[in-house]
Amino acid sequence: DAKTTQPPSMDCAEGRAANLPCNHSTISGNEYVYWYRQIHSQGPQYIIHGLKNNETNEMASLIITEDRKSSTLILPHATLRDTAVYYCIVRWDTGNQFYFGTGTSLTVIP
Amino acid sequence: GAVVSQHPSRVICKSGTSVKIECRSLDFQATTMFWYRQFPKKSLMLMATSNEGSKATYEQGVEKDKFLINHASLTLSTLTVTSAHPEDSSFYICSARGGASEFFGPGTRLTVL
Repeated sequence: DAKTTQPPSMDCAEGRAANLPCNHSTISGNEYVYWYRQIHSQGPQYIIHGLKNNETNEMASLIITEDRKSSTLILPHATLRDTAVYYCIVRWDTGNQFYFGTGTSLTVIP
Repeated sequence: GAVVSQHPSRVICKSGTSVKIECRSLDFQATTMFWYRQFPKKSLMLMATSNEGSKATYEQGVEKDKFLINHASLTLSTLTVTSAHPEDSSFYICSARGGASEFFGPGTRLTVL
């Protein structure tokens, strides 16, 4: 599976949009981009995933560049409960394991 | 969404004892489950892939005789940490594949004294 690169930490003001970048320059054509988050001492929570089109659900939006070498997860109105470590992972849709990178620790500031 | 449970959520044991952790998919069947370990302030590290009805596949560096995995049904996988030592203290997380997504359990905090 392709590896991903994320900034180690970010801050965001409460109520503002949080934009979390991810680089995956070696992604192959059949690999999806997945985003999960982990709140302290809990299991990871699924957020969103996509292949090449932008995706939106009730939690977030996923913007994937046209060359698919990077993506951005957008939390439109961050709340204090969004403080967590966010992981960007690429893998085949029907592939096997998830390999977690170091993720981005997002802190939402009141 | 799909729910995965783990039991126990927290366990403290003496060095040299064995500890069993259960992972259940509550509302779907999972032919494949995964076990991860996470040390403080570190990312999740995949330990093994658990396949229903067959032997688990372990990641490089993970001792299969130390971490016994059994996946006897489509809704249950167990991880047994044998002869646990303090360095095995960690947060153990399982996940189960449901369709194209993977759903994670809440984790089990193991402390070995």
